[in-house]
Parts: sequence; C-alpha cells; structure tokens
Amino acid sequence: EDKVVQSPLSLVVHEGDTVTLNCSYEVTNFRSLLWYKQEKKAPTFLFMLTSSGIEKKSGRLSSILDKKELFSILNITATQTGDSAVYLCAVAETSGSRLTFGEGTQLTVNP
Amino acid sequence: KAGVTQTPRYLIKTRGQQVTLSCSPISGHRSVSWYQQTPGQGLQFLFEYFSETQRNKGNFPGRFSGRQFSNSRSEMNVSTLELGDSALYLCASSLVDSTGTDTQYFGPGTRLTVL
Repeated sequence: EDKVVQSPLSLVVHEGDTVTLNCSYEVTNFRSLLWYKQEKKAPTFLFMLTSSGIEKKSGRLSSILDKKELFSILNITATQTGDSAVYLCAVAETSGSRLTFGEGTQLTVNP
Repeated sequence: KAGVTQTPRYLIKTRGQQVTLSCSPISGHRSVSWYQQTPGQGLQFLFEYFSETQRNKGNFPGRFSGRQFSNSRSEMNVSTLELGDSALYLCASSLVDSTGTDTQYFGPGTRLTVL
C-alpha cells in the first residue's frame, strides 16, 4: 500500500526562525511529489517536484526531492506569522491524478 | 482564470439521507478528483474523472459515487448517509501538460455535517 509520512507532525517556532519539514514516501509508481499549504479551507499549491536534486524556490520557501532515498524537504526561512498552517505532502502515481497525502505538519509561528 | 468552485459550501443532513455535491473545474481542465478530509484520516482519495470516465477509485464503499459531464463539471453523491461521512469534501482539477505531469488545484470544499 502506498504510504506518505511527514515529520514532525507539529512544530512551534518564533518569527524569524528557519524550519525544515520532512516527507518520506513509499509509492509503487512514483511520478511526482507535491507540497501544499492548508490554512482554513482548500490546500493551496506550493511546489511540484519530479527530478532528484533540483531545488524549487519561491520567495522564502524552497523544496528538494531525493528519489534515491525517497524523501523530500520543505524549507521556510525567516518565518512569519502568516506561515502558520498545515503543510501537506502528497505523491502522484504514474497513472491518473490520484494523490496520496501524508498526515501534514501543523506549523505555528509565534510573534 | 477562475479557480475551482464547489457548491454548496456547507450542508447539514441526517443519517439515511443522500447528498449531491458539485464541482466546477478551472476552465480547460479535464481531470476532476474528489477527496474526503477528516481529522482522523486526513485527506483520502475518493475517485477521479477524466473526459466523463472514472479513471481511478479509492477505497470507499459503493455509497460514494460520482460522475462528470461533457463540460468537465463533476458531481459526487453519497447515499444512505452515516455519521462518519461528516467531513470536508474537496474537489481538485488538473491539466495534464506536455510532459504528462499535472498539478492539482483544490476548490474551497463542501463541509458536510451528518446528524
């Protein structure tokens, strides 16, 4: 059975800190790994990673994939209170658009 | 472009009733997937429709069904509602690009409460 595991499940930091969120996976037919941010309602798309070792970057957020070790990390530098959310990692299989999600990491950034 | 829209946003039903939820994908997107999100189970895949055909199905009972119309709009139906069906139902649409990869964009969800 396909499996996505995120760690830590919960994290509390102060504004300005740097955080690293982890995602490991076991998927039979891997195609891509996606990161989403979920605040109140719908998950909003952050990154899609398909190739190992290529960092994707957007502002203070960056992510990288290691297909040999089957994991990805999401880094957030100089955190702000607006970064408080649940960060979801999901893996897409080669057939169709099915996503298998991890449990999510609840990030709380205190002022 | 307008994002994924879902209606209704909130719904309260009683056990045994049935419910139909609607999803309109981003213009041009032909794939629509449905997910159930609960505090205990997280986000779980229900099914995916592409060009009016169910392409993939998750591990949910037959009470959960769906369909897709020629304009890519999708509906999901849950019959004989149970208390455990209370959840946020999310719809996501995607556009397969030239490399065969796609990104799923989520709608705001329908919050279903079963009493």
